[in-house]
Amino acid sequence: ETGVTQTPRHLVMGMTNKKSLKCEQHLGHNAMYWYKQSAKKPLELMFVYSLEERVENNSVPSRFSPECPNSSHLFLHLHTLQPEDSALYLCASSQTPGQGKEKLFFGSGTQLSVL
Amino acid sequence: AQKVTQAQTEISVVEKEDVTLDCVYETRDTTYYLFWYKQPPSGELVFLIRRNSFDEQNEISGRYSWNFQKSTSSFNFTITASQVVDSAVYFCALGPREAGGTSYGKLTFGQGTILTVHP
Repeated sequence: ETGVTQTPRHLVMGMTNKKSLKCEQHLGHNAMYWYKQSAKKPLELMFVYSLEERVENNSVPSRFSPECPNSSHLFLHLHTLQPEDSALYLCASSQTPGQGKEKLFFGSGTQLSVL
Repeated sequence: AQKVTQAQTEISVVEKEDVTLDCVYETRDTTYYLFWYKQPPSGELVFLIRRNSFDEQNEISGRYSWNFQKSTSSFNFTITASQVVDSAVYFCALGPREAGGTSYGKLTFGQGTILTVHP
């Protein structure tokens, strides 16, 4: 079992749908992250939660809504997405947030296609 | 602003060849961290190394070695005697080194280098 588990692995949705991505970490970490990986672009940090509080929101459109109910679980709620939102969404966790040196542990990602 | 450039988009080698992946970074910070991550076909990024900007010693771990040159703002990664299992996308990343805990994983990633090792 990997340390960070993401479901689903693949998701196809229409622009009017509402869906959620789920991330669970089994490492006892205090911080969790959402990253977006688009083709031919660097990974983009979307959201950071430290001890279940959102500490970073990197100018992400409101059609993406994160939720962190506890330190082990992180969700990304999606609604009225656009085709350009199609990407690989990666969840990560780390033990010591906020010091710049944190080693990130990533999940395998959810490959999202918006039609 | 921080920036990481991995000029090599794709590299193809034959097994047992040595290969070097280039990484050049820009930052105004005087202290920072540099990272390399590997993304195999399964998708998850795997941490390979973290280097503090104060420490310019080169590091070797098995077939992997890293050459940090602060004077040229480069942090290159060499795989010796490459193997098919090394095929992956490799990302270089730069993180601020902040006291007081405010960076929150603000890594700046390069665009990645796709490495294909042929048998």
